[in-house]
Amino acid sequence: AQSVTQLDSHVSVSEGTPVLLRCNYSSSYSPSLFWYVQHPNKGLQLLQKYTSAATLVKGINGFEAEFKKSETSFHLTKPSAHMSDAAEYFCVVSDQAGTASKLTFGTGTRLQVTL
Amino acid sequence: NAGVTQTPKFRIPKIGQSMTLQCTQDMNHNYMYWYRQDPGMGLKLIYYSVGAGITDKGEVPNGYNVSRSTTEDFPLRLELAAPSQTSVYFCASSPGLNYGYTFGSGTRLTVV
Repeated sequence: AQSVTQLDSHVSVSEGTPVLLRCNYSSSYSPSLFWYVQHPNKGLQLLQKYTSAATLVKGINGFEAEFKKSETSFHLTKPSAHMSDAAEYFCVVSDQAGTASKLTFGTGTRLQVTL
Repeated sequence: NAGVTQTPKFRIPKIGQSMTLQCTQDMNHNYMYWYRQDPGMGLKLIYYSVGAGITDKGEVPNGYNVSRSTTEDFPLRLELAAPSQTSVYFCASSPGLNYGYTFGSGTRLTVV
């Protein structure tokens, strides 16, 4: 069985300061991991993807995510927050058992960016 | 390029009504999925399909049915709407394993 734990339900940062959104996972397989972002009243957009290649992956809008197998973590970072980054962020693990990949979502972290 | 299209965007059925949420993708993806999103709960998988004619249950299938007669379409049917089915529903598609999903913009369903 696989699971994802997002350690903070809410993170508040000032504009221009670093962002850290934490995620730990559990998986019986070599996992594929993702970060999705959801802006208010919008659908989900793929932000980051890790599939057993480089451990540091660069996504869109200046975000990076680092996969650490020893810590079973896939934290999302950004050096400098922008107001437009305010959204809900979901860490996701993909179960590759069987014939289809099925995503298991974390409960989400709401990022608030203040002036 | 439309991606994944969900209709309707909003629906307010009465308890006991039946209804269908539509999902269409134009990317020729084999895999399609239905999720529901409840506040503070992340997304839960309802049903998924690996190709036309093949469907399987996810985590929370009770009260729902699906069909996949074509690669493009994957409708979700609520047979007897219940207040517990009030949620936001997302359809998604993927070309295969290790790929991210493309999500539709969602259908907000409120059962009254």
